[in-house]
Amino acid sequence: GQSLEQPSEVTAVEGAIVQINCTYQTSGFYGLSWYQQHDGGAPTFLSYNALDGLEETGRFSSFLSRSDSYGYLLLQELQMKDSASYFCAVRDWRSQGNLIFGKGTKLSVKP
Amino acid sequence: DTAVSQTPKYLVTQMGNDKSIKCEQNLGHDTMYWYKQDSKKFLKIMFSYNNKELIINETVPNRFSPKSPDKAHLNLHINSLELGDSAVYFCASSPGGRNTGELFFGEGSRLTVL
Repeated sequence: GQSLEQPSEVTAVEGAIVQINCTYQTSGFYGLSWYQQHDGGAPTFLSYNALDGLEETGRFSSFLSRSDSYGYLLLQELQMKDSASYFCAVRDWRSQGNLIFGKGTKLSVKP
Repeated sequence: DTAVSQTPKYLVTQMGNDKSIKCEQNLGHDTMYWYKQDSKKFLKIMFSYNNKELIINETVPNRFSPKSPDKAHLNLHINSLELGDSAVYFCASSPGGRNTGELFFGEGSRLTVL
């Protein structure tokens, strides 16, 4: 089946840059998504990469390397409100197109 | 207007009971989903429903059954509740089948089984 690996926790300070990595094993990979979830809230979509390269959306960027089965989420100019859990998720043939989520990375931003 | 809405937001019940969680989306999306998030925050797909095609995660017990009266609604019915069913259940939807990495989630329904 599918498997996704991402760090369980990351800590950084306000204004810094943090990178959250995600490696995956799938069959018939379609794409990699990233979601943010604050405590008590719903997951919200951040980005989707189907092709290799970097996608930038404001302070957040997402990168994909299909050949390495690897991606990352880059958060710049960290703010306290960025403290949340971040999930990578894959779509592949085996999941019949459904999104399969990693276990999440809890990001703590300190003053 | 809330795009994906779920009711109830909180549900506390006894083991052995049957309960339902309702979900509605007003986005005109074709595909709806149910995810379960356990205490360790692991988000697990339970079902997806697209144009009357139901895809069931094989690990989901048959005590769980989705019901879709129309394209905008996908309700979750749970029979004979067990302690391990305690979790947050999220409904979600996506446009245009499954050719997207973007899901729109509801606010979640926290189920506690005593």
